[in-house]
Amino acid sequence: NAGVTQTPKFQVLKTGQSMTLQCAQDMNHEYMSWYRQDPGMGLRLIHYSVGAGITDQGEVPNGYNVSRSTTEDFPLRLLSAAPSQTSVYFCASSYSEREWYTGELFFGEGSRLTVL
Amino acid sequence: QKEVEQDPGPLSVPEGAIVSLNCTYSNSAFQYFMWYRQYSRKGPELLMYSYSSGNKEDGRFTAQVDKSSKYISLFIRDSQPSDSATYLCAGSNYKLTFGKGTLLTVNP
Repeated sequence: NAGVTQTPKFQVLKTGQSMTLQCAQDMNHEYMSWYRQDPGMGLRLIHYSVGAGITDQGEVPNGYNVSRSTTEDFPLRLLSAAPSQTSVYFCASSYSEREWYTGELFFGEGSRLTVL
Repeated sequence: QKEVEQDPGPLSVPEGAIVSLNCTYSNSAFQYFMWYRQYSRKGPELLMYSYSSGNKEDGRFTAQVDKSSKYISLFIRDSQPSDSATYLCAGSNYKLTFGKGTLLTVNP
């Protein structure tokens, strides 16, 4: 049981480049989400999904796109990378709305992104 | 003012000490409160969540919520070097709001 798998683990981009961070879960979880973690800022919600075909914005959605075509996958797209998007990105999933509410999230190991 | 305030530390204690980690929050709409542990270069993992004011115990860990003063705490008894990590508090009113995290080191 792999849990939540994120790829790549490390990435360096130049300003203006685009890329996709991949997230997959094999637990049949309904809810999936993306957070970014920055020193002195804590974890902040970027986008989340309550099921296949349904996504919504979090606290810091600008510059990012998401889609959820399957239950298992929730990719995060950076459209035109900026140095301000240098961060550690975490994907998380929860079984249902109840676990989303109570914070019973399963996190991936993170993707470390540097934008030069 | 950030909705969840947490002293980032760092906090360093000897093995066997009782550790107290604290957060305050300002959003009265929070219904659930959580504590996560995050080891270096890993994702956070949920330690426990609480719904109401009072104490909740799980082994060496006790979470305390005081809604009247908007204060949440995590106590670690008989701390071990393996407890060395960053501890994140969070509140939830559907979406989670995290504190910045407190870095704890337990020295052998």
